[in-house]
Amino acid sequence: AQSVTQLDSQVPVFEEAPVELRCNYSSSVSVYLFWYVQYPNQGLQLLLKYLSGSTLVKGINGFEAEFNKSQTSFHLRKPSVHISDTAEYFCAVKIAGGTSYGKLTFGQGTILTVHP
Amino acid sequence: AAGVIQSPRHLIKEKRETATLKCYPIPRHDTVYWYQQGPGQDPQFLISFYEKMQSDKGSIPDRFSAQQFSDYHSELNMSSLELGDSALYFCASSLLAGAGDTQYFGPGTRLTVL
Repeated sequence: AQSVTQLDSQVPVFEEAPVELRCNYSSSVSVYLFWYVQYPNQGLQLLLKYLSGSTLVKGINGFEAEFNKSQTSFHLRKPSVHISDTAEYFCAVKIAGGTSYGKLTFGQGTILTVHP
Repeated sequence: AAGVIQSPRHLIKEKRETATLKCYPIPRHDTVYWYQQGPGQDPQFLISFYEKMQSDKGSIPDRFSAQQFSDYHSELNMSSLELGDSALYFCASSLLAGAGDTQYFGPGTRLTVL
């Protein structure tokens, strides 16, 4: 079975500062990795995903993440945050291929709060 | 672009009642997933369907059942509701399950059990 650990439950940051949201995963097989964002009282929106190839993936809203296989990490970064980035961010994994039809396993979420 | 539609958006039920949640996937998507997100929790996988057949099952109570219909919409039926069933229920859809497909989530149905 796979698992995801988001190392910070809350991350406060000032506007225009850089931010990193940390995600580590555990799996005995290859996985695909995703970051989703959830704004208050809304659904989950995909920010970016890593399937294969370049370990640095770019997503929407200026976010990017780097897949590090040796450290089993997939940290999310943004060089300069905005007030509108305030939301909860979920890291998720899915078994690559196999017979499992794609269920996602989520981390516990990180609440990013951007202060003016 | 069309998104995943869920109805109703909000639902209030009493204990021991039944509830039916509906999900309309993105057109041409062949796979539907249901997740439950309790207050302050991460989403937990319940069940999924691929081409109208159940494809995977997670931590779904026996009181819950679901199906996917010929038009690919899906319904989650919940009976003998308990207070602990109060949660946000998400539906997600994707194309070509099993590959690196991306799940697109609906806005969710917030179920409150009183």
